[in-house]
Amino acid sequence: AQKITQTQPGMFVQEKEAVTLDCTYDTSDPSYGLFWYKQPSSGEMIFLIYQGSYDQQNATEGRYSLNFQKARKSANLVISASQLGDSAMYFCAMREGWNFNKFYFGSGTKLNVKP
Amino acid sequence: EAGVTQFPSHSVIEKGQTVTLRCDPISGHDNLYWYRRVMGKEIKFLLHFVKESKQDESGMPNNRFLAERTGGTYSTLKVQPAELEDSGVYFCASSQESDGLNTEAFFGQGTRLTVV
Repeated sequence: AQKITQTQPGMFVQEKEAVTLDCTYDTSDPSYGLFWYKQPSSGEMIFLIYQGSYDQQNATEGRYSLNFQKARKSANLVISASQLGDSAMYFCAMREGWNFNKFYFGSGTKLNVKP
Repeated sequence: EAGVTQFPSHSVIEKGQTVTLRCDPISGHDNLYWYRRVMGKEIKFLLHFVKESKQDESGMPNNRFLAERTGGTYSTLKVQPAELEDSGVYFCASSQESDGLNTEAFFGQGTRLTVV
């Protein structure tokens, strides 16, 4: 079964608007960590934000926030005030506590920010 | 400080040939990982080194793939002989010794391998 599911292959958003990228996960481990990475056209993977399974509050990093809904097993990334430079591929990922060496990634969402 | 670097950035080879990918992790990072993304699919774990030792190689697709990390510094991933289904982007990542759930892994820009 897929550990990480990203159902939006591509998304468009108008500059300065907010956008939500969906991510659902599947694990039976009570201890896990959720990550979002950005991959611009240059290819490198840039870490954006982290949420631990025991964290009580949603993680925030600047314009990025993670809408963590544990019961629904979702970890959506919210980007506020989109900028042209936000156009990139976005990957949701998870690590499980019993084997935290492995990242499980989704298939990614291609975000295009329109001027 | 230099990030994770991978070489080459692109490689086009014919089916049956051999290709070697190289990854230089961030200096001082004991953990080194290889991942692969086949076109349009998710990024999948291949293997994990701690220094020069293979900690987990459960993601290696078959014995045509050989990864090494001599001396615990850079790593190579050799594909011999290459098949069409090996095409994809190969990512390398590294992280510090105190590896836990929230330890950030730093990724390289990837090597795009095309087998024709």
